[in-house]
Amino acid sequence: AQTVTQSQPEMSVQEAETVTLSCTYDTSESDYYLFWYKQPPSRQMILVIRQEAYKQQNATENRFSVNFQKAAKSFSLKISDSQLGDAAMYFCAYRSADARGSRLTFGEGTQLTVNP
Amino acid sequence: GAVVSQHPSWVICKSGTSVKIECRSLDFQATTMFWYRQFPKQSLMLMATSNEGSKATYEQGVEKDKFLINHASLTLSTLTVTSAHPEDSSFYICSAPREKLFFGSGTQLSVL
Repeated sequence: AQTVTQSQPEMSVQEAETVTLSCTYDTSESDYYLFWYKQPPSRQMILVIRQEAYKQQNATENRFSVNFQKAAKSFSLKISDSQLGDAAMYFCAYRSADARGSRLTFGEGTQLTVNP
Repeated sequence: GAVVSQHPSWVICKSGTSVKIECRSLDFQATTMFWYRQFPKQSLMLMATSNEGSKATYEQGVEKDKFLINHASLTLSTLTVTSAHPEDSSFYICSAPREKLFFGSGTQLSVL
């Protein structure tokens, strides 16, 4: 079974600064997807960024980028120019690429605080 | 874009009663839907996979008779918490896959 580990229960960053959230995972599969989801106080799950394992290029979405190290099974999220609205719980998630693989396995989450 | 609608947003019930939560895919058909449970400040834990026209698949440790799942149409899945007890109080979230996974807005269940 796949596991996802987020070793930072809480992180804080100053507004306009950069912060990196860590995520590691364990799998025996070669093809899969990795995600970062944001859950603000409203508790609505919001997709931040997605990475396909077969792509070597790191995904980017505006101020959000990932450092995907497949051999090390590491998938960190970098938030640049942090904004107050970035404050939320962030979850790293894994999904198999097979036909039954739409289910997500989530990490424990990292609570991000953005200080003005 | 695709939207998943979940109702109710919150519900308070007495111990021993049953509560039904609905999850609808509004502009696409979902043969599969996922039900997650989330305790405060914890991660989402998959409870079961709802399959249209067939039985749901439950994760290990989830009581099938307590958490009844019905996926009667391609746009609707329901989760019924039967004979609810205070320990069933939690945040329940549904999701449906399309080109990506779409989440409902969740249901906070409080059992008194």
